[in-house]
Amino acid sequence: SQTIHQWPATLVQPVGSPLSLECTVEGTSNPNLYWYRQAAGRGLQLLFYSVGIGQISSEVPQNLSASRPQDRQFILSSKKLLLSDSGFYLCGYRDSYTDTQYFGPGTRLTVL
Amino acid sequence: AQRVTQPEKLLSVFKGAPVELKCNYSYSGSPELFWYVQYSRQRLQLLLRHISRESIKGFTADLNKGETSFHLKKPFAQEEDSAMYYCALRGYGGATNKLIFGTGTLLAVQP
Repeated sequence: SQTIHQWPATLVQPVGSPLSLECTVEGTSNPNLYWYRQAAGRGLQLLFYSVGIGQISSEVPQNLSASRPQDRQFILSSKKLLLSDSGFYLCGYRDSYTDTQYFGPGTRLTVL
Repeated sequence: AQRVTQPEKLLSVFKGAPVELKCNYSYSGSPELFWYVQYSRQRLQLLLRHISRESIKGFTADLNKGETSFHLKKPFAQEEDSAMYYCALRGYGGATNKLIFGTGTLLAVQP
């Protein structure tokens, strides 16, 4: 069975500090991977997606970056966090067999 | 431009009342539409998709291409239906299979 993990579950960081959120997927190979953000009062916004190792596409200009160093690992990073980076970050992957997108438990990021 | 609009942030109904969560979309081709649901303290999960044309937990949704809508309906709401509901669109073709989500509607079913 497939599983998707995200950590940490919650994070409180000061403005200007770096960020690294990790997402890993089990039980599948070469999945499409996605990072979404859910900001307060707003919907789910696609930030990045990846169709393979080292292949990253950005959907919106922002203070964040993503990397995919391994097939089933997707990392969301920032060199200097802004207050506006606060939100709930979801990692997702597409199961090609069922053609369904599944999501991790999410990370609640608060930037103070 | 691809866009999904959910006009209601909050929908409050009483148990047993009919429910309709509105979703309108903007897409130049023929998209695939989905409804995702997030119950309290649970992960976001797929509820149904328009190509399946099935009823899940009593919910149905019909794609109306003329009105570019994909409203989610249930004839009799239950308290356990209380959750955040997201409408999503995916365009055909391409390697990304990315989903475009609406802003979500919080459904609160009162006893």
